[in-house]
Amino acid sequence: GENVEQHPSTLSVQEGDSAVIKCTYSDSASNYFPWYKQELGKRPQLIIDIRSNVGEKKDQRIAVTLNKTAKHFSLHITETQPEDSAVYFCAVPGNNNDMRFGAGTRLTVKP
Amino acid sequence: DVKVTQSSRYLVKRTGEKVFLECVQDMDHENMFWYRQDPGLGLRLIYFSYDVKMKEKGDIPEGYSVSREKKERFSLILESASTNQTSMYLCASSLMRGWTEAFFGQGTRLTVV
Repeated sequence: GENVEQHPSTLSVQEGDSAVIKCTYSDSASNYFPWYKQELGKRPQLIIDIRSNVGEKKDQRIAVTLNKTAKHFSLHITETQPEDSAVYFCAVPGNNNDMRFGAGTRLTVKP
Repeated sequence: DVKVTQSSRYLVKRTGEKVFLECVQDMDHENMFWYRQDPGLGLRLIYFSYDVKMKEKGDIPEGYSVSREKKERFSLILESASTNQTSMYLCASSLMRGWTEAFFGQGTRLTVV
C-alpha cells in the first residue's frame, strides 16, 4: 500500500506566526491530496485538498502546495490562532480505493 | 449533511470476547473504511470496502474481520479481543474511488480488559 510520511510530529508556534507541515508519499499514481484537522475529542474533518493539476490552493489562512516530482505536499497556516491548535493529518489515496493517512502533527498555538 | 454513525462511543470488553463495531452512513457512499487511532501512530487502515460484499485488507488486518452486507453498513469484528486491541476505532466513508472527501464517524473507544 501507499507509504505516507508526515513531519513534524509536533509543532509549537506563537499566535500570529506561520506553521508548515509536510507530507511525502511513495505512489506517483496518486492525484488527490487532502488535509484533515482533528480537534481534541472530535472526528477528523477535511480542511483543504488539492488535485494534481494545480500546484497550490488557498482558502483564507490555509494553503496546500504540491510537488509531484518530489512526491510531497505541504499544509501552510498563516496568522495562526489558538483555535488552530489540533492534530493535522495528510492523506493519500492508493490505487485500490484505499486511503492512507500520515501519523499526524500536533500543532499548538500559544497565545 | 453526511452522517457516519458508529454504534457505540465507549465499549469495554473482556479478553477473548467476540466484539462487533458497527458503522452506518446515510449518503449512499461506495467506499467505507475502518481505521485504528493510537497516539503517535496516526490513523492506520484495518480494512476497507468499495462495494457491497467486497472487502480489502489494509495495513493491520490481523485479529480483525469485516462484513458489508448492505451498502450503508460496514461492521468491524474482533474475533477474539485482546488487550493490544484497546484503541480508538474510526469508521469513514467516501463517495468515489479514494479521490473525494472522507467523512468520519465519531469514533468508538474500545477497552479490552
